[in-house]
Amino acid sequence: GAVVSQHPSRVICKSGTSVKIECRSLDFQATTMFWYRQFPKQSLMLMATSNEGSKATYEQGVEKDKFLINHASLTLSTLTVTSAHPEDSSFYICSARAALAGSTDTQYFGPGTRLTVL
Amino acid sequence: GQQLNQSPQSMFIQEGEDVSMNCTSSSIFNTWLWYKQDPGEGPVLLIALYKAGELTSNGRLTAQFGITRKDSFLNISASIPSDVGIYFCAGQLGNYQLIWGAGTKLIIKP
Repeated sequence: GAVVSQHPSRVICKSGTSVKIECRSLDFQATTMFWYRQFPKQSLMLMATSNEGSKATYEQGVEKDKFLINHASLTLSTLTVTSAHPEDSSFYICSARAALAGSTDTQYFGPGTRLTVL
Repeated sequence: GQQLNQSPQSMFIQEGEDVSMNCTSSSIFNTWLWYKQDPGEGPVLLIALYKAGELTSNGRLTAQFGITRKDSFLNISASIPSDVGIYFCAGQLGNYQLIWGAGTKLIIKP
């Protein structure tokens, strides 16, 4: 249980285009999902917390108009990087909070999406 | 942002050796977590700790939640090649946000 998927796993795009990343909880409902980015050899940096049916809460320094988050259902959250630039190239990881019987009530992570902006 | 102090930063060990890493914080956490991340993958939860003093095992892995709730260690016994990766500690806040350590990179010499 507590499996989280992300799609796509890798994406290469041209500067100025927008990219959408999907995060799905496959075998549980997630009222809360989190979006992170990770630079090489660094720890995960929280970008935003997303609750189903409400607006995402962004961390300080993260532009909400640049990184659009939609959490329309209990199993799906999307992150759209708008007008992407090379400095947006990074590893984006989502997680979902699971509180299942027999599972730990904490975050379970997706496999990540490698974004490269040319 | 806020970060936990995780050490060592990296470890070079021989296969079969035991490994120990730890995290400390100036803040108290009610939950400590240990994750492993392989290259190009998301973190995978190894062990979750909920009570001060708690000692929990998961196969060859053992982790303890410090009595002061400000520290935790992770031990790996009899390391094998697939243990290679980056290990992260994390303290969980009440709103389920995680405060991360900087990671310990484990490298096993053949």
